[in-house]
Amino acid sequence: DSGVTQTPKHLITATGQRVTLRCSPRSGDLSVYWYQQSLDQGLQFLIQYYNGEERAKGNILERFSAQQFPDLHSELNLSSLELGDSALYFCASSPGQFDEQFFGPGTRLTVL
Amino acid sequence: GQSLEQPSEVTAVEGAIVQINCTYQTSGFYGLSWYQQHDGGAPTFLSYNGLDGLEETGRFSSFLSRSDSYGYLLLQELQMKDSASYFCAVRDNYGQNFVFGPGTRLSVLP
Repeated sequence: DSGVTQTPKHLITATGQRVTLRCSPRSGDLSVYWYQQSLDQGLQFLIQYYNGEERAKGNILERFSAQQFPDLHSELNLSSLELGDSALYFCASSPGQFDEQFFGPGTRLTVL
Repeated sequence: GQSLEQPSEVTAVEGAIVQINCTYQTSGFYGLSWYQQHDGGAPTFLSYNGLDGLEETGRFSSFLSRSDSYGYLLLQELQMKDSASYFCAVRDNYGQNFVFGPGTRLSVLP
């Protein structure tokens, strides 16, 4: 158990819908990262927040957005969902901006 | 753009030593990390190299040569539980992006 929690574990929704994934980092960690893992594209970095501010951005679609709240939990919002968005979404946290990352168990999103 | 290459599969027997190579092309290289992921599980951090040389952590070691844009993960005294996928990951663009390799699936045979 890494200490990072993600909810929900599974999510099934339809194309065109919007969902919100939630992540609580390990106690004391200031950085939160979001990743998408699919069979054909591997593990893709989406975005990093550090102490409430966006720090790094990867290949995150415009339909996706994220934020980190004052209590340091983070949410990833996915809108106008497409079939190709079906994937495992991981959240990770680290104490600082450049430390080893601790991954949560992931949220499996299925878009039908 | 950034790219990382790893072998797709490696097979070895219990007790053996295996090396998983990773070559990368990035701009503003900031460090090479290694992660392990068991089927159905989340990635877990194994090792990090920010400078050239060897880092050792128990049965696992990782090496980096920045001039060759190359690194490897060395697993010694292989155990069945080491069967998993191993990803190299680069922090590049001066720390502004993380790129993971495609992963190497290690199978440890009895």
